[in-house]
Amino acid sequence: DAGVTQSPTHLIKTRGQQVTLRCSPKSGHDTVSWYQQALGQGPQFIFQYYEEEERQRGNFPDRFSGHQFPNYSSELNVNALLLGDSALYLCASSLGLGGITEAFFGQGTRLTVV
Amino acid sequence: GNSVTQMEGPVTLSEEAFLTINCTYTATGYPSLFWYVQYPGEGLQLLLKATKADDKGSNKGFEATYRKETTSFHLEKGSVQVSDSAVYFCALRTPNDYKLSFGAGTTVTVRA
Repeated sequence: DAGVTQSPTHLIKTRGQQVTLRCSPKSGHDTVSWYQQALGQGPQFIFQYYEEEERQRGNFPDRFSGHQFPNYSSELNVNALLLGDSALYLCASSLGLGGITEAFFGQGTRLTVV
Repeated sequence: GNSVTQMEGPVTLSEEAFLTINCTYTATGYPSLFWYVQYPGEGLQLLLKATKADDKGSNKGFEATYRKETTSFHLEKGSVQVSDSAVYFCALRTPNDYKLSFGAGTTVTVRA
């Protein structure tokens, strides 16, 4: 079982650019959540996808958008990057709407905006 | 809204010492409570959980008891090892809420 896989592991972007991060959920999971973890802080919920729809969203601007594909994999897109978007982006997968089962996390994508 | 407050670190201990990390929460509704651990360079792993008052979660020698009266979920381990060095996060999720709300994390370093 491959677990939750995220790509890329590290990324450096310039302010104003756009970025796409990818996540493949654990086998058998159908729900994907994205979190942003700034240095020295706990993860903050961005949004959750289930059945290819965004089901809940945290306090993040519209520059953050996502998508879920029929195979349950997901993308996180961030437009007009700001220096403050530099963080570790974590993907978590679980089973069922709301992710009521245990959430499994990937190793994250470290995004640096310069 | 929901919030989690955990004791600030970093915490540095010697091997075989007793570890306690305090966690208190504020929540609307009756939350489930979790402790996650993040080892260097890795993602979060669920360490233990409790879903109702007085439940005790336990795993790998770690324990935490859901205390509704004090809105707390303190993590304890009686004898830590160097391999327990990591960042520990307390988290909660309330019914009908899809997200996990995390504390800021506590960095624990265990020295041989």
